Order: sequence, then structure tokens, then C-alpha cells
Amino acid sequence: AQSVTQLDSQVPVFEEAPVELRCNYSSSVSVYLFWYVQYPNQGLQLLLKYLSGSTLVKGINGFEAEFNKSQTSFHLRKPSVHISDTAEYFCAVSEAQGGSEKLVFGKGTKLTVNP
Amino acid sequence: SAVISQKPSRDICQRGTSLTIQCQVDSQVTMMFWYRQQPGQSLTLIATANQGSEATYESGFVIDKFPISRPNLTFSTLTVSNMSPEDSSIYLCSVWTVSYGYTFGSGTRLTVV
Repeated sequence: AQSVTQLDSQVPVFEEAPVELRCNYSSSVSVYLFWYVQYPNQGLQLLLKYLSGSTLVKGINGFEAEFNKSQTSFHLRKPSVHISDTAEYFCAVSEAQGGSEKLVFGKGTKLTVNP
Repeated sequence: SAVISQKPSRDICQRGTSLTIQCQVDSQVTMMFWYRQQPGQSLTLIATANQGSEATYESGFVIDKFPISRPNLTFSTLTVSNMSPEDSSIYLCSVWTVSYGYTFGSGTRLTVV
């Protein structure tokens, strides 16, 4: 079974600063990895995903993440954040079985961007 | 990405009643997933719905409480039965596509009073 650990429950940063949201996973098989964002009172939006291929994945809104198999990590980064990036961010993992397996979510990281 | 229409978007229900949530997808998909997000929490899978067979429930969720229908490859419903305030949550459906991975509906925000 898979599990996900998001190491920081809350991350406060100042506008235009860089940010890294950390995610580690555990699995005995190949995985797919995802980052989702949830703005207040809204649904989940996919930021980026790793299914295969290049380990550096670029997503929407200037975010990117790097899949590190040896460290079982999939940290999310943005070089310069905006006030509008304030939201909850969820890392998720599934077995690499083409969508027949469930997503397992981390507990989330609340990113707060201050002026 | 796959477009998912989920209804209702929100509802306030009396305890002891039931609510049926609908999820419509704009393309045919094999698997549909139903998740619950309790206030301030992450998402937990309730069940996986495969067209033409019984849904598969995760530990802690039972069919009598959360019956699911999957009549065709683009539609599913989740019913929250005999509701109590502890059922107040956001309920989301999700599908997998090869191009976009897992896509989620906008969710149903349920409040039980």
C-alpha cells in the first residue's frame, strides 16, 4: 500500500520569495505522483503530474516538481510566489496501473503568501 | 482534461435524511472514484465504481451508508444515507484519463443539521 507524507502542515512566505513544499511517499511498486491545489471553498485543481519520463515536471502557474526515486520524494517548487498562490496543496500517489488504482493523499500543506 | 459535472454543489440537510450526489463525465471512463473531505482534512477514498459491477468500498465505509450506482460509462451517483452531523463534508468524484491523470469534480459541500 502507498502512503504520502507532507512534511509541513503550514508554510508562510513573503510575496516574490521562492517556496518548496515537501512530499515523500512510500510504495513497493512503481507510482504515479500528483500535486493538487485547493483554493478556499473550491474543488481540487491539478497542478502537475509525474507518470513517466522526465523526472522534472512543469505544471501550471509556474510550479514544478522533481521526482526523486532514490529519495522517494516529489517536492513542489516555485521560484517566486504571488499572493494568489495562497491555498492548500495536496501531494498524492497511486500505483502505476493506468488509473485502476486509488489516489492516496497527503494531509496537505497550507501555503500563505504575505505581502 | 475530462470535464466532470457534479450536482448539487452544496446542500444543507436534516439529520436522518438522505442525499444523492450525481457525477456526469463528458467522456466514457472505466473507473469512477468517490472521495470525502472532512472539514480541515485531506481526501479519503470512499469507494471505486466500475460500470456493471458492485462498487468496491474502502475500510470504514459500507454500502448501506454510501450506496453507489454506476449505470453507464459516463455517470455515477453516491447517496449519503441516514445522515448525521458527522457526515458534513465535501464529497468529490474523480475519474482517470491517460492524458490528464485523475481529474476531480468541483465537489458537493454537505452540511447536516
